[in-house]
Amino acid sequence: ETGVTQTPRHLVMGMTNKKSLKCEQHLGHNAMYWYKQSAKKPLELMFVYNFKEQTENNSVPSRFSPECPNSSHLFLHLHTLQPEDSALYLCASSQGGGGNQPQHFGDGTRLSIL
Amino acid sequence: KQEVTQIPAALSVPEGENLVLNCSFTDSAIYNLQWFRQDPGKGLTSLLLIQSSQREQTSGRLNASLDKSSGRSTLYIAASQPGDSATYLCAVRRSSGSARQLTFGSGTQLTVLP
Repeated sequence: ETGVTQTPRHLVMGMTNKKSLKCEQHLGHNAMYWYKQSAKKPLELMFVYNFKEQTENNSVPSRFSPECPNSSHLFLHLHTLQPEDSALYLCASSQGGGGNQPQHFGDGTRLSIL
Repeated sequence: KQEVTQIPAALSVPEGENLVLNCSFTDSAIYNLQWFRQDPGKGLTSLLLIQSSQREQTSGRLNASLDKSSGRSTLYIAASQPGDSATYLCAVRRSSGSARQLTFGSGTQLTVLP
């Protein structure tokens, strides 16, 4: 079983839909992250959670709402998205919050907004 | 604001060749630097992490160097193989402020021809 699992792998939704992305890590890490990867652009950090507490929101629009019920699970709730939100959304986790340890990534959710 | 640049954007080499990928960053006050590979449709796989106090890290055929004062890192791949074909990303972590935030480059797409 892979260390960081993301579901679904692909998602197509209309601008008025509400959906959620799920991330689960089996590595015993205590920090989790959401990133956005758009075509031709570097990865952008969206949110950081450490021990279930949000420690960073990188100026992300409110139509993206994260939830971290425990250190192993992370959700990204989506509503009223825009076409420019189409991208690959990657989840990552790491041991410790000090930045000493490498981040481990899932395979991402490919999101398409119609 | 930290900016990370990777040159070239794409590289094609014959199998067996040694090669170097470059990464430069504008703010030398970094905590560490991490190299990743990303296969098509997949997440990121961590290759090497270099702390700011280190000069290089090695793993198998990979060697990453860090020159913090000049804002540069290189990833050396020895005896390249077709299986090395992927996009290689470097990311730097700031030494102050949000210690967890990684700033990514846009990557170098490597193709190793059999």
